[in-house]
Amino acid sequence: NAGVTQTPKFQVLKTGQSMTLQCAQDMNHEYMSWYRQDPGMGLRLIHYSVGAGITDQGEVPNGYNVSRSTTEDFPLRLLSAAPSQTSVYFCASSYEGYTEAFFGQGTRLTVV
Amino acid sequence: DQQVKQNSPSLSVQEGRISILNCDYTNSMFDYFLWYKKYPAEGPTFLISISSIKDKNEDGRFTVFLNKSAKHLSLHIVPSQPGDSAVYFCAVSRSSNTGKLIFGQGTTLQVKP
Repeated sequence: NAGVTQTPKFQVLKTGQSMTLQCAQDMNHEYMSWYRQDPGMGLRLIHYSVGAGITDQGEVPNGYNVSRSTTEDFPLRLLSAAPSQTSVYFCASSYEGYTEAFFGQGTRLTVV
Repeated sequence: DQQVKQNSPSLSVQEGRISILNCDYTNSMFDYFLWYKKYPAEGPTFLISISSIKDKNEDGRFTVFLNKSAKHLSLHIVPSQPGDSAVYFCAVSRSSNTGKLIFGQGTTLQVKP
């Protein structure tokens, strides 16, 4: 059981470039979410999904897109990277949505 | 407008003593509360949780207390060990609005040998 797998672990982008952060889980969880962690800000919810085909915005959705075509995968797309998107990104999945969530190892993104 | 606040950015305690981490929330509609632990370069890991129908939940050295009237929860670690040194996040959720955990800013705990 791999749990929640995020790729890549590290990424450097130039301003204006696009990229996709990958997230996959093998626990058959319906609920998945993306968070970003910034110093002094805790973990802030970007987007979340309550099942395949259903996504919704979190606290800081601007500049990010998501889709959920399968139960296992929940990619996060940055359409035009900005320095303000420099952060550590975490993907999480959970069985019930409001209880324990399992997190991936994170992706450290730097936008220059 | 922060819905969850951890007002102490850091806490330092001696090995063997009690560590108390605090968390305040603003919305009385939250009915499920969690604590996560995070080591550097790793993802957060679940530690302990409590639902609003309880005021205390214990798991080994870890106890979470919930005071609904004060909208306050705390995590007690007894006895504290050097391996407990990490960042601790509290999180809140609503069972009627699944999929969203709202986190506090985190408290860095250092346990000195």
